[in-house]
Amino acid sequence: QKEVEQNSGPLSVPEGAIASLNCTYSDRGSQSFFWYRQYSGKSPELIMFIYSNGDKEDGRFTAQLNKASQYVSLLIRDSQPSDSATYLCAALNLGSARQLTFGSGTQLTVLP
Amino acid sequence: NAGVTQTPKFQVLKTGQSMTLQCAQDMNHNSMYWYRQDPGMGLRLIYYSASEGTTDKGEVPNGYNVSRLNKREFSLRLESAAPSQTSVYFCASSAKETQYFGPGTRLLVL
Repeated sequence: QKEVEQNSGPLSVPEGAIASLNCTYSDRGSQSFFWYRQYSGKSPELIMFIYSNGDKEDGRFTAQLNKASQYVSLLIRDSQPSDSATYLCAALNLGSARQLTFGSGTQLTVLP
Repeated sequence: NAGVTQTPKFQVLKTGQSMTLQCAQDMNHNSMYWYRQDPGMGLRLIYYSASEGTTDKGEVPNGYNVSRLNKREFSLRLESAAPSQTSVYFCASSAKETQYFGPGTRLLVL
């Protein structure tokens, strides 16, 4: 069973703070990792993906990957109330016809 | 570009009724997917189609059938709906690794 685990939260941070979202995965064959944001009642939208060990930055978002520890994280700098949403982590195993395995998501609330 | 579209947006069914959820994409993607999302759970893959003319089961295929009508369209059919199929259904399409999602269909089975 390929699993992706996330703390369900809720995670609350004050406006302007750094929000740290974490994800672990069980399948060592996973090669790429995705972070999606999902507002209540809406569909998931891609924030960013990462496939190499280390950090990848895109604006206020930084994804971090450590394949040895099977750990992925997403940092959101200068958090805004508009960042309040559920964040889904997903792992892709190219050997599985490009199927994504999703975690259950972490609910983030940014307090004004 | 509309991206990925789904119809209907909402549907209420009685147990035993059948229905088809429609999905279309205009991004010329080869791969298409059907997921369901239940409260407190992530997205679970029902069926996928790696290319036109092929379909394969995902994690939770029981009670569903799919048709890849052409490159643009991928439909999901519930032959005899059950209350356990009450969920939000998302269609997605992808080129390479990134999947793009439709707006979803909210289904209630009474």
